[in-house]
Amino acid sequence: KNQVEQSPQSLIILEGKNCTLQCNYTVSPFSNLRWYKQDTGRGPVSLTIMTFSENTKSNGRYTATLDADTKQSSLHITASQLSDSASYICVVSASYGQNFVFGPGTRLSVLP
Amino acid sequence: NAGVTQTPKFRILKIGQSMTLQCAQDMNHNYMYWYRQDPGMGLKLIYYSVGAGITDKGEVPNGYNVSRSTTEDFPLRLELAAPSQTSVYFCASSYSGDLGPGYTFGSGTRLTVV
Repeated sequence: KNQVEQSPQSLIILEGKNCTLQCNYTVSPFSNLRWYKQDTGRGPVSLTIMTFSENTKSNGRYTATLDADTKQSSLHITASQLSDSASYICVVSASYGQNFVFGPGTRLSVLP
Repeated sequence: NAGVTQTPKFRILKIGQSMTLQCAQDMNHNYMYWYRQDPGMGLKLIYYSVGAGITDKGEVPNGYNVSRSTTEDFPLRLELAAPSQTSVYFCASSYSGDLGPGYTFGSGTRLTVV
């Protein structure tokens, strides 16, 4: 069964600190993986997208990694800001049909 | 560009009532989607459309209907609202049909069925 798991479920850090969010998936055949940021009461907004051949991709203070062999991805946030408080969702796309599998998200709270 | 616009933002329905959630996009995207997001769960695909006049079921279509008469609009219809349909509903659209650049979500409709 195609699944996406994320950990931790929630995370609290102090402003300025770094953090890493994890995503494990069993989606096959794999096409690409995307990290989204979802602010409370808003729709998800794309942060990064990675294909099978990409190991690392950065978007400002966000860096995503992908290990297609172990089917794991991580999202590293550097020098966190209060505005980083949001849910971060990992989405994996299979290479057929409209088969996007969404993870449950990690709720990040950045405190001053 | 407005992107993907959903209306209403909030709605409370009584059991058995019906309503239509509206979704419109101005990006000339062929693909449009409806998702529901329950607390602590990943988004689940309800229905999608690959173009005007073409719709197909997603993972959780029961209790919902859709139509796609134009490229821009993709309304979601609830005929007999049930408490299990209490959720946040997101509409999305994309050009290519993959999770590639331009896959855009609306801001959501929070629906409560009492």
